[in-house]
Amino acid sequence: DTGVSQDPRHKITKRGQNVTFRCDPISEHNRLYWYRQTLGQGPEFLTYFQNEAQLEKSRLLSDRFSAERPKGSFSTLEIQRTEQGDSAMYLCASSFWERGATQETQYFGPGTRLLVL
Amino acid sequence: SQQGEEDPQALSIQEGENATMNCSYKTSINNLQWYRQNSGRGLVHLILIRSNEREKHSGRLRVTLDTSKKSSSLLITASRAADTASYFCATSRGWPQAGTALIFGKGTTLSVSS
Repeated sequence: DTGVSQDPRHKITKRGQNVTFRCDPISEHNRLYWYRQTLGQGPEFLTYFQNEAQLEKSRLLSDRFSAERPKGSFSTLEIQRTEQGDSAMYLCASSFWERGATQETQYFGPGTRLLVL
Repeated sequence: SQQGEEDPQALSIQEGENATMNCSYKTSINNLQWYRQNSGRGLVHLILIRSNEREKHSGRLRVTLDTSKKSSSLLITASRAADTASYFCATSRGWPQAGTALIFGKGTTLSVSS
């Protein structure tokens, strides 16, 4: 059984370039979350999907950010026209939730560390 | 914005000693979870305590929750060098039906020396 995987693990880019990250959740997990973590801080929620539907987006997710989960399996997070302030660790998490459940555990991937020069 | 704060921000102890970390939060919660993060890695789920529970144990971990004070503590007994990591508490804003985006504190960095 593999856990959540993310690709790439590290990305260095120049300001203004576009970058795309991929997340593969645990098989059969129907929820997928994206978080961003800057140095010395805890993760901050960006967005989440239930199956292929994007159900919530944080105010942190500016219009330069877009996320997709086209078939309800893997997800991509794209950042257009990157800025130095986008430098952070981008974490993906997945969970299985069913109607009537009263708790949910999110399993995190190793993250993609982005550095914008 | 972050839900609350962990205290202390950093903690250094010797192997075999106990480590206690505290977490405070601001709003009503459904449950509270603790995660561990090794340097530059992803987060590992440690334990979840529901709002109607006061104490929970898992191996060397003991978590308490005081909803009247909006605070939780994580105790790691007989610490090991491998426990060196950052520890975060996280709360979920609502019921699972609404999606449970986690809100994290800033974390406590634990260093255990042998």
